[in-house]
Order: sequence, then C-alpha cells, then structure tokens
Amino acid sequence: SQQGEEDPQALSIQEGENATMNCSYKTSINNLQWYRQNSGRGLVHLILIRSNEREKHSGRLRVTLDTSKKSSSLLITASRAADTASYFCATAKVGGSEKLVFGKGMKLTVNP
Amino acid sequence: EAGVTQFPSHSVIEKGQTVTLRCDPISGHDNLYWYRRVMGKEIKFLLHFVKESKQDESGMPNNRFLAERTGGTYSTLKVQPAELEDSGVYFCASSQAPQGVEYFGPGTRLTVT
Repeated sequence: SQQGEEDPQALSIQEGENATMNCSYKTSINNLQWYRQNSGRGLVHLILIRSNEREKHSGRLRVTLDTSKKSSSLLITASRAADTASYFCATAKVGGSEKLVFGKGMKLTVNP
Repeated sequence: EAGVTQFPSHSVIEKGQTVTLRCDPISGHDNLYWYRRVMGKEIKFLLHFVKESKQDESGMPNNRFLAERTGGTYSTLKVQPAELEDSGVYFCASSQAPQGVEYFGPGTRLTVT
C-alpha cells in the first residue's frame, strides 16, 4: 500500500458533530500536512505538524501525530456544512526530496 | 498577495495533440512543484524546481512530458503527444522553504479524447 492513506474513505455527518479522519504512512517523515479540496478547487493547506510534535491546534482543527505508529488524525470539531470537502494527508520524507506524498483523500460530507 | 495561478483551468484535446500548461507561483517562492491526480487515484508528484533548476523530476511519467521554468518565475508543463492516460488534474504548488507549506493552484483539468 502507499504512503499516506486516509481512513475512512468517506464520512457523512450532521452539522455540529465532530469529524475524525485518520492517516497512516510508511516511512520516516520530517512533517505531515493536511490539505482540503473543495469540489473543483485547488488544495488548501490546513495544518503542518512536524515529526517532533505530537499535537497541534488551529481553530476548530486538531491534529495529532504518533510517529511510533506512523499515523496521524485530523479532528474537526463542531462541523459546518462549509467543511464539506475532500481531505488529504501528505508527508515529507526524511532524507527525501522536498516533494509531498499524498494519500487518496477522504470525502467529508456535513449535512445541514 | 496573489496565490498560485494556473492556466488554462480546463483543456480538452485529442490524442496525439500537444498541450502546454502554465503555472505562476507566488512571487518570491523559489520552489515550484507539479503534481497530477488521475481519476480515482492519489495526487502524485511530478517534479520540483528550485528557481530555474530541476531539483527532482523523478515523478515525470515519460519523455512526452517536458517542464520548464526559464528565468525562475513561471513554469510550463508540455505534454507532447498527449495520450488518453494523461487525462487528469494537474496541480502546481509553490513554497518559500523546502519541506515547508506548499501553496497550491486551482489545477488544470486535462481531458484527452
């Protein structure tokens, strides 16, 4: 399987609920980033967490990183219909070039 | 400040034709990246420029793809001749620092018929 796999592949929730997305990866990383893509638009950077960090917050977003398990989670609290989008995790590998390695993405639908 | 822009937003061409995609990075960003997402698959790296130099082109699928960044500003990605499997969305991104936040453009949707 590939670097950066999101789980679940699709999630449908009601407004106000929390949404949790998980990402697993295989190699040692320098950092892990989460991006959002609204339909037909480009990728928007949400948050970057470095390999020596365990948790990071940004507004309603909370990201955790467990390098021993090679996994990360993105929690969106108090979701809104506007959070409906595809979410991707991407990793920057240790000793690799500066390219990001993306997962396939996860489709989040927040129903009003 | 303007973000990363890409042109065109959509392109429909026939197999065997040539298409050139353009990316204008954020001003002052030395690092420029091309990625591609083929339908249903993950976003995959194509290549990385630092200024006008190709730092990493390990993701370029074959020699039908040619990327340039003359002068270290905007970049072009030419596909010649295009094949059906080249269809997908081509994203460009730029960053100030390596392995930092990459700012993505809206993408160019390429359809080869």
